[in-house]
Amino acid sequence: DAKTTQPNSMESNEEEPVHLPCNHSTISGTDYIHWYRQLPSQGPEYVIHGLTSNVNNRMASLAIAEDRKSSTLILHRATLRDAAVYYCILRDEGSGYALNFGKGTSLLVTP
Amino acid sequence: DAGITQSPRHKVTETGTPVTLRCHQTENHRYMYWYRQDPGHGLRLIHYSYGVKDTDKGEVSDGYSVSRSKTEDFLLTLESATSSQTSVYFCAISSDVRGAQAFFGQGTRLTVV
Repeated sequence: DAKTTQPNSMESNEEEPVHLPCNHSTISGTDYIHWYRQLPSQGPEYVIHGLTSNVNNRMASLAIAEDRKSSTLILHRATLRDAAVYYCILRDEGSGYALNFGKGTSLLVTP
Repeated sequence: DAGITQSPRHKVTETGTPVTLRCHQTENHRYMYWYRQDPGHGLRLIHYSYGVKDTDKGEVSDGYSVSRSKTEDFLLTLESATSSQTSVYFCAISSDVRGAQAFFGQGTRLTVV
């Protein structure tokens, strides 16, 4: 399975932008880059995904490097409710397109 | 929110007893997955299904079996529960559109005593 590398933890102040990095140097041409987050005591929640181009939705933006070996999840204004573990995952055909979770980045948001 | 429901949400059972967890979806999605999550680990794939009666093993399948007799239901069975199977179990669903997002249930907290 393709792997991703994320920092174990990051900290941000409330109402400031947050840039969560992810390295995926072994990505293949058909792998989609997915981001999920998991709030305490909840199931993972979809945030955003992309293939080659940058993507925006109501929750976040995803910036994908031109060579696709890295990506950055951008939360434009962090709130206390954004404190969660963020997972960057490459979704491929293996195991029925199952998401292969690493340990993710634990985001702390301080007032 | 996607229609995915796990039951029960909490269960305490004794070592050696059989346990079945149910995942029910109303989205008619093709793929269904069972994960477990333990402290210090991310979610780990137990089994998955790519259609009715079509299932396969994931990373941590020992001690677990699954069945999918209808599109909407995916059952996870612990034939003889052990303390090492104490965990939080998550079900997920996904369509077969390339790159489609997955939706997760709220989880089942299982304690084996």
